[in-house]
Amino acid sequence: DTGVSQDPRHKITKRGQNVTFRCDPISEHNRLYWYRQTLGQGPEFLTYFQNEAQLEKSRLLSDRFSAERPKGSFSTLEIQRTEQGDSAMYLCASSSTGGPNYEQYFGPGTRLTVT
Amino acid sequence: AQTVTQSQPEMSVQEAETVTLSCTYDTSESNYYLFWYKQPPSRQMILVIRQEAYKQQNATENRFSVNFQKAAKSFSLKISDSQLGDTAMYFCAFSETSYDKVIFGPGTSLSVIP
Repeated sequence: DTGVSQDPRHKITKRGQNVTFRCDPISEHNRLYWYRQTLGQGPEFLTYFQNEAQLEKSRLLSDRFSAERPKGSFSTLEIQRTEQGDSAMYLCASSSTGGPNYEQYFGPGTRLTVT
Repeated sequence: AQTVTQSQPEMSVQEAETVTLSCTYDTSESNYYLFWYKQPPSRQMILVIRQEAYKQQNATENRFSVNFQKAAKSFSLKISDSQLGDTAMYFCAFSETSYDKVIFGPGTSLSVIP
């Protein structure tokens, strides 16, 4: 069990640029979640997948945000035309619906800074 | 919409002492799941303890226990014999189902003082 991994860990970009983050869940986990956490706040839900299907998107996820999980394994989160308000920690979590342990396991996050 | 409130932005406790972190939530659901997550400085979020609302017995995990008051919609976390490694942000959280998205409170920053 290597845990949830995220890449990159840090990203600095200029306003207006596009960025893409990757999340690799725990291998047997079929659910994958994205959250956003701003400084001093709790994480806010963005979207989640069961296998390759995107089941729910928060209204926080504007049309500049898109997430995919094409083969039901890793996921990508893309932000187009970044704005300073997008600066935050983006957290990925995964869980399994196949047993009694429904805990969400979190990755280390990708910290995005938009200048 | 469900909301989670933590009224203590910061707390401190002496090593080996006991501390209680408060949490209230709002929901119209009768069954749901409550969690306490710990986020140490610059480290990953980890689950501390969870409680299913249909269970009347309060959950315990070693030094961590909860006081779940369903009618009052209150879910406090008690940490006994506090250790330096307990220094972290603690988030109270809610989920409608065991596999659903988690709604987090704003967090309580706990410092354990040697």
